[in-house]
Amino acid sequence: QQQVKQSPQSLIVQKGGISIINCAYENTAFDYFPWYQQFPGKGPALLIAIRPDVSEKKEGRFTISFNKSAKQFSLHIMDSQPGDSATYFCAASKRGSQGNLIFGKGTKLSVKP
Amino acid sequence: DTGVSQDPRHKITKRGQNVTFRCDPISEHNRLYWYRQTLGQGPEFLTYFQNEAQLEKSRLLSDRFSAERPKGSFSTLEIQRTEQGDSAMYLCASSFFPSGNTEAFFGQGTRLTVV
Repeated sequence: QQQVKQSPQSLIVQKGGISIINCAYENTAFDYFPWYQQFPGKGPALLIAIRPDVSEKKEGRFTISFNKSAKQFSLHIMDSQPGDSATYFCAASKRGSQGNLIFGKGTKLSVKP
Repeated sequence: DTGVSQDPRHKITKRGQNVTFRCDPISEHNRLYWYRQTLGQGPEFLTYFQNEAQLEKSRLLSDRFSAERPKGSFSTLEIQRTEQGDSAMYLCASSFFPSGNTEAFFGQGTRLTVV
C-alpha cells in the first residue's frame, strides 16, 4: 500500500513557467510534509516543508499548498529555471518521528530553456 | 564540511560477500536514519537511532542487515551475504530531536552494486 502518491511521474516546463507537482496521502496521523529535491548522484535536499495547521507556505520561488480535508498537498515552482531540473519527492511523517519519512515515487522535472 | 558524510561513495561486491557502510552525521544531531533508494523510486526507510539506541526497524531490514551506532556518533550498516536485489543507493540522514525545526539532512549516499 502506497501511503504517499505523487504525480506526475515526469514534467516538462518551459523556462519561466510554473511547475506543479501533486501529492496525496491516506494516513491522518501524518503531520509533517516536506518536499525534497534530488540531483543525479546526490542525496535528497530539503526544499520546503509544511505542517497541517497552515494552508500555504512560500519560500522564494517555491510554494506548498496544503488541503487537509482532501489530504493533498502540492509544490509550485514559480519562474522555473533550467537549474531546477531535478527529481522532486514529496514525503510525510508522523508527529515525533519526522525523520521516518514516507516518500512518494518522485517527479522528474525538466525545464527547457 | 559540516554535512552528513557517507563512506564509501561506491561499492561493487560479488554476490554472497559482506559489505559495511559508514555514516557520520552532523555533529550535534542525536537522531540518525538509514534509507535505501532504488533506481526511479523514492527513498525507503530502513531504521533509525536516537543516540546509541536503535528505536525503529522497517520490515525491509531483513536479518542479513544490521546497523549499529555504538557511541551515539557515527553509524555502520552491514549487509551479510549480499544478493543482487540489495543493489541500491543507501542513504543516511540525521536530525536533532526534539526541535521545532525537524529537518532531516541527507548524505550523498553509498551506491552498492552486487554482481
